[in-house]
Amino acid sequence: DAKTTQPTSMDCAEGRAANLPCNHSTISGNEYVYWYRQIHSQGPQYIIHGLKNNETNEMASLIITEDRKSSTLILPHATLRDTAVYYCIAASYNTDKLIFGTGTRLQVFP
Amino acid sequence: GAVVSQHPSWVICKSGTSVKIECRSLDFQATTMFWYRQFPKQSLMLMATSNEGSKATYEQGVEKDKFLINHASLTLSTLTVTSAHPEDSSFYICSGGVAGSYEQYFGPGTRLTVT
Repeated sequence: DAKTTQPTSMDCAEGRAANLPCNHSTISGNEYVYWYRQIHSQGPQYIIHGLKNNETNEMASLIITEDRKSSTLILPHATLRDTAVYYCIAASYNTDKLIFGTGTRLQVFP
Repeated sequence: GAVVSQHPSWVICKSGTSVKIECRSLDFQATTMFWYRQFPKQSLMLMATSNEGSKATYEQGVEKDKFLINHASLTLSTLTVTSAHPEDSSFYICSGGVAGSYEQYFGPGTRLTVT
């Protein structure tokens, strides 16, 4: 599975958009970009995934660059409950395992 | 999303004893289950992958004789930490996956403290 790199931490004001970047320059053609988040002392929660097209669901939007070497997760209106560690993972579809990197600790402040 | 439960949510045991953690998929059949370990302020580390009815596949560096995994049914997997030591104190998280699905469903985790 391709390695991903993310900033260690980010801050965001409540109500503003949170843009979380992820680099995956060695991603292969059959690997998807998955985003999970982990709120303190809980199990991770799936957010969104994509291959090459931008994706949107009720939680977030995922923007993937045309060369697929990087992506950005967008939380359009961050709330205090979005404070969590966000993990970007590159893995093949129907992957049999997810390898978590260090993630980005997002702190949403009032 | 689908629900995965873990039991117990936290446990304290004495050094040298064994502890069993259960992971159940409540509303779906998990063809594959995964066990992770997470130390404070660190990321999740995959320990092993198990498929129903077959032996678990352990990640490099994980002692299979110390961390016994059983996946007896499509809704239940257990992790037994044998002869626990204080360094085994950690947050253990399981997840379930379904063949043909992209998503893994994570349990709430079990916090193990070995004294």
